Amino acid sequence: DVQLLESGGGLVQPGGSLRLSCAASGFTFSNYDMSWVRQTPGKGLERVSAITDSGRSTYYADSVKGRFTISRVNSKSTLYLQMNNLRAEDTAVYYCAKDSNYRYFDHWGQGTLVTVSS
Amino acid sequence: EIVLTQSPGTLSLSPGERATFSCRASQSLTSSQLAWYQQKTGQAPRLLIYGASSRATGIPDRFSGSGSGTDFTLTISRLEPEDFAVYYCQQYDSSPRTFGQGTKVEIK
Repeated sequence: DVQLLESGGGLVQPGGSLRLSCAASGFTFSNYDMSWVRQTPGKGLERVSAITDSGRSTYYADSVKGRFTISRVNSKSTLYLQMNNLRAEDTAVYYCAKDSNYRYFDHWGQGTLVTVSS
Repeated sequence: EIVLTQSPGTLSLSPGERATFSCRASQSLTSSQLAWYQQKTGQAPRLLIYGASSRATGIPDRFSGSGSGTDFTLTISRLEPEDFAVYYCQQYDSSPRTFGQGTKVEIK
């Protein structure tokens, strides 16, 4: 079975940094693009970042561009999201999501809560 | 950016009833590149439907999707107790991929 296990969330002050990790298992990680999707009560679901299977290409939503960096280590089947200069509006549950070959998300992790507050 | 508008916001129904809800796109989706997800309280979204009408692996046949262009529908033929949840549509026709705001199906 496909499993995606996020970690690294927590409480951080505005301007601070966090690094999220997503450990994948149950599929050939290096064959699939991966995404980070966040969820807030106010804005709903938002795909904030994505990376191709090889790691060569990345995507960032305008809301996080220049502050977040996505990366992956295929040999460890792990996806990362480095979040810098965090703002209150980045407060959300962050999900790691596996892309199908057709760009919908066929598996999601359980999510990790990031709270940005002083 | 394609905006997806879901309606109604909340649907109050009883187990055994039929549920139908809508997702309207601000521009036409080529090749019906629309997915539906179910999210129960405290859980991650789960893929139900892709390609507007294809059920994902393990999804019961009481769930069906239809539509094309700008108008899409998710139907649950007979609500089971475990179907009370929030349902989201998502388009993957163009970047950025966007989600609707969700329809909550609650017990009447």
